[in-house]
Amino acid sequence: GENVEQHPSTLSVQEGDSAVIKCTYSDSASNYFPWYKQELGKGPQLIIDIRSNVGEKKDQRIAVTLNKTAKHFSLHITETQPEDSAVYFCAARDSNYQLIWGAGTKLIIKP
Amino acid sequence: NAGVMQNPRHLVRRRGQEARLRCSPMKGHSHVYWYRQLPEEGLKFMVYLQKENIIDESGMPKERFSAEFPKEGPSILRIQQVVRGDSAAYFCASSPPTSGLAYEQYFGPGTRLTVT
Repeated sequence: GENVEQHPSTLSVQEGDSAVIKCTYSDSASNYFPWYKQELGKGPQLIIDIRSNVGEKKDQRIAVTLNKTAKHFSLHITETQPEDSAVYFCAARDSNYQLIWGAGTKLIIKP
Repeated sequence: NAGVMQNPRHLVRRRGQEARLRCSPMKGHSHVYWYRQLPEEGLKFMVYLQKENIIDESGMPKERFSAEFPKEGPSILRIQQVVRGDSAAYFCASSPPTSGLAYEQYFGPGTRLTVT
């Protein structure tokens, strides 16, 4: 079955700098890759997603890239702000339409 | 347009009692998913339902756990004879019908179950 690995587990960046979180997946049939942001005590919030027929997608300060050959995808956040501090999860939708989740990255934005 | 609603937000049960968690999907959404999350961990899939049908329950323990999504009303996740290990946050997500394939999942705020 699908397995998703996410790195790093914790990322600390200076406010205004960029943050990059990386995920790898194992099932080449996976075709949908969302990213979620979870703040303390809240449910995950979908922030961006990408489908396997696209290599990159941008939404203001957030971008996601997908390399199907290497089976990895990354989240890029530019010009980080204090409100970006949260736990970020990547996921991959496998051939059984389940979302398989990474273990999460705690992003800390230092003022 | 209201988001996914879950209640209660917090639930405390003694060992051996039953826990009932409710989820109302977003308007127009006909697919519901339940996940469990332990502290400092990712989400673990439990069950996928459509109206009156369980599509995939491969992530749900075979005993004590059950889920339903009736024609009318919210989806219910039921845990019988709760044990301390059931303490976790339970999240519900919904997605719109897309030719039977579900893509974007939108999450509710979760129910935090504590078993004493």
